[in-house]
Amino acid sequence: NAGVTQTPKFQVLKTGQSMTLQCAQDMNHEYMSWYRQDPGMGLRLIHYSVGAGITDQGEVPNGYNVSRSTTEDFPLRLLSAAPSQTSVYFCASSLNSGGNTEAFFGQGTRLTVV
Amino acid sequence: ILNVEQSPQSLHVQEGDSTNFTCSFPSSNFYALHWYRWETAKSPEALFVMTLNGDEKKKGRISATLNTKEGYSYLYIKGSQPEDSATYLCAFPRSNDMRFGAGTRLTVKP
Repeated sequence: NAGVTQTPKFQVLKTGQSMTLQCAQDMNHEYMSWYRQDPGMGLRLIHYSVGAGITDQGEVPNGYNVSRSTTEDFPLRLLSAAPSQTSVYFCASSLNSGGNTEAFFGQGTRLTVV
Repeated sequence: ILNVEQSPQSLHVQEGDSTNFTCSFPSSNFYALHWYRWETAKSPEALFVMTLNGDEKKKGRISATLNTKEGYSYLYIKGSQPEDSATYLCAFPRSNDMRFGAGTRLTVKP
């Protein structure tokens, strides 16, 4: 059982470049989310989805787009990378929305924007 | 505004010591309180999801309590071992929004 698979593990981008972080889960989870982790701060929610075709903004959505065309996949797109987006990114999934089921996390992506 | 505060920020203990740390969260409109363990170079893994005031949960030497009326949860580790060294995160979901504390980094010295 693969759980939550997130790629790539590491990425270096130049300012202005675009890229997509991939996230897939095989647990038939309804809820998927993206977080960023910055030093001294907790994980901050970027975007989330409560099911295929439904996405919404979290705490820090600016500069990021998401889509959820299938239950399994929830990619995160950086349209024009900025140095402020240098961070560690985590994808997570939960059985359902509402917060009463545990989150399963991907391996993380360390992104550096130069 | 959802503020989730964890204290202390870091903790160094000797092997065999028992320890505890705190998570504070807004006491209104409570849904649940999560605890995660996050080892260096790995992903956070769930320890507990607590939903009821007065809840006490236990997993091996780790246990947690919950007070939703006053907005805090304690995580206890009995007889700390070097393998317990990790960052412990609490998270407070409100509807579809999950807010994490900054974590308590625990180092257990052999």
